[in-house]
Amino acid sequence: GNSVTQMEGPVTLSEEAFLTINCTYTATGYPSLFWYVQYPGEGLQLLLKATKADDKGSNKGFEATYRKETTSFHLEKGSVQVSDSAVYFCALTVGAQGGSEKLVFGKGTKLTVNP
Amino acid sequence: DAGVIQSPRHEVTEMGQEVTLRCKPISGHNSLFWYRQTMMRGLELLIYFNNNVPIDDSGMPEDRFSAKMPNASFSTLKIQPSEPRDSAVYFCASSPSGSGYNEQFFGPGTRLTVL
Repeated sequence: GNSVTQMEGPVTLSEEAFLTINCTYTATGYPSLFWYVQYPGEGLQLLLKATKADDKGSNKGFEATYRKETTSFHLEKGSVQVSDSAVYFCALTVGAQGGSEKLVFGKGTKLTVNP
Repeated sequence: DAGVIQSPRHEVTEMGQEVTLRCKPISGHNSLFWYRQTMMRGLELLIYFNNNVPIDDSGMPEDRFSAKMPNASFSTLKIQPSEPRDSAVYFCASSPSGSGYNEQFFGPGTRLTVL
C-alpha cells in the first residue's frame, strides 16, 4: 500500500538555524510528493511539491528533492524564522495508474522556532 | 477570491445529538474531500467526491457518518448520533480536478466537541 513516514516532533530551533524534516514513503505506483504546512488555527496549505524523480520543489526558502532511489522527500530550509513555526505534513498521491486520487499524509511534525 | 468555506467553525454538542458540518468548495473545483484530524490518529481522509459523486468512502468510520454533495457548490458531513470519540477537527478540501497531482485547497476546519 501507500504510506508516508516522517520524523516525529516536536522540533524546536532557534531563529536562523538549519532545518531538516525527514520523510520517506512507500508507494505501489509512481507517486507525486508534497509538503503541506498548517499554521496554528488554520487548515493545511500546500508548501511545495515534486512530481517525478530528481525534481526539486521549492517555496518560501524551503526545498525538498524527490529521491526515488532512497524513497525520500526531506524538507530543508537554510535559515528558519519565528514565522515558520507550524506543523509540516509530508504527503503523496498516486495518480490514475495507481487507482487512487487520494492524498496520503504523514503524521505531521510540529516545528517551533524561538527568537 | 474566497477559499473553501466551512461552517460552523466551532460546534459543541452533547452525545447522541445530530451534527451537520457544511462545506462550500472553491468555484470550479470538481473534487471535494472530507478529512478528520485528531492528535491520536493524525489526518484521515473520510470520503471524497468527484463531480458530486462519492468515489471512495472507505475512510468513513461507521454508519453514523454520512456525507452528501447535492450540487457542485455544497457538501455536508453528518454524524448521527454523535459520540465523544467523534471530537476532532474536520476539514473540507477541494481540488480543480480529479487528479491527485493537483493541489488540494483546505478550508479552515470545524472544531467539533461532543460532550
